[in-house]
Amino acid sequence: DAGVTQSPTHLIKTRGQHVTLRCSPISGHKSVSWYQQVLGQGPQFIFQYYEKEERGRGNFPDRFSARQFPNYSSELNVNALLLGDSALYLCASSFATDTQYFGPGTRLTVL
Amino acid sequence: GIQVEQSPPDLILQEGANSTLRCNFSDSVNNLQWFHQNPWGQLINLFYIPSGTKQNGRLSATTVATERYSLLYISSSQTTDSGVYFCAVETTGNQFYFGTGTSLTVIP
Repeated sequence: DAGVTQSPTHLIKTRGQHVTLRCSPISGHKSVSWYQQVLGQGPQFIFQYYEKEERGRGNFPDRFSARQFPNYSSELNVNALLLGDSALYLCASSFATDTQYFGPGTRLTVL
Repeated sequence: GIQVEQSPPDLILQEGANSTLRCNFSDSVNNLQWFHQNPWGQLINLFYIPSGTKQNGRLSATTVATERYSLLYISSSQTTDSGVYFCAVETTGNQFYFGTGTSLTVIP
């Protein structure tokens, strides 16, 4: 079975632009969570969606938004990119609210 | 928010040695997981352990929720165990917090 997949793998944007990151959960999993990991730090929680509803939200500005589709895949959108948004963005899936399995991440660089 | 502290922050071991990593959290949690992040950034799930003890090969974990800590034991360490180990908790308010991490280096 395929694990969690994320696209794209790498992305370079300039300040002020918008970015969309995508995540496909493990088949049968209904929950997707998004995290931001800045170099040298642990992942920071951004959002969790379960059955297409937002279940939890971390302490991130409104420039960050997400949604979950009927097939349980998810998108993370970031508007008005700042240099500080450069990070590894990680997606995790779980069946419900239990064990989380992480994808390989999308490395975003903002110039 | 909840504080999740891990110790030690850095650990260097000779291959074959045993180690204990600790995760302390400052408030009640719904669940707790241990992860290993390899040098390529991939987070690998080790244990989902909100309470009790679990074992998987050379690894085992114990969570004492009432005392707000969890321990990860690594026995007979191998060079492939190198990387950063994180504990992560989910609060009663559906927030997820990762710990400060333990960076492990196993030398041959």
